[in-house]
Amino acid sequence: GDSVTQMEGPVTLSEEAFLTINCTYTATGYPSLFWYVQYPGEGLQLLLKATKADDKGSNKGFEATYRKETTSFHLEKGSVQVSDSAVYFCALQGYNQGGKLIFGQGTELSVKP
Amino acid sequence: EPEVTQTPSHQVTQMGQEVILRCVPISNHLYFYWYRQILGQKVEFLVSFYNNEISEKSEIFDDQFSVERPDGSNFTLKIRSTKLEDSAMYFCASSPNGQGGGNTIYFGEGSWLTVV
Repeated sequence: GDSVTQMEGPVTLSEEAFLTINCTYTATGYPSLFWYVQYPGEGLQLLLKATKADDKGSNKGFEATYRKETTSFHLEKGSVQVSDSAVYFCALQGYNQGGKLIFGQGTELSVKP
Repeated sequence: EPEVTQTPSHQVTQMGQEVILRCVPISNHLYFYWYRQILGQKVEFLVSFYNNEISEKSEIFDDQFSVERPDGSNFTLKIRSTKLEDSAMYFCASSPNGQGGGNTIYFGEGSWLTVV
């Protein structure tokens, strides 16, 4: 079945460092791909998404490109801030699977001043 | 900005007791969902609900689980006889439609259930 694999955390970075969180997927057909973020004490919030190959989703300085050839959707940010400390979830949504999301295990990011 | 709200934020219950988790989805949304996350594990889909009936459910969603939209605003998840392994964070979610293709799902803050 469809699945998502994320790099394991926790990831600890210094402020202004470059961030990459790897995400790869297995799916039939043409899924849509998402990154959700969970700040401490809050719910899951959509960070960005991409719906077809080579699309780039971006928001708040974060970017991810839908790479069909490598089945990947890696999250990047050029310069992280302390306020980016959160848990990041990669997820896929099958084209014919309605609203169901299949999540990766989440990657905790801690940014130190 | 409209949001999905959930109550309670945390509930402790004894094994074998019934629990009802409540959610108010975003008002103009038509599709509602429950997901759960056992500590340290992935967020897992439980069930989707549309037009007053279940549209899809996972193998986790067995006979001890039920969902209901008792009025025009609330959406509930009932666990009939809780087990220790039901301890998890339960997320309610909603979306304007139920299609794939990048349909954004909006999540609540979660209800943390502890079964003792």
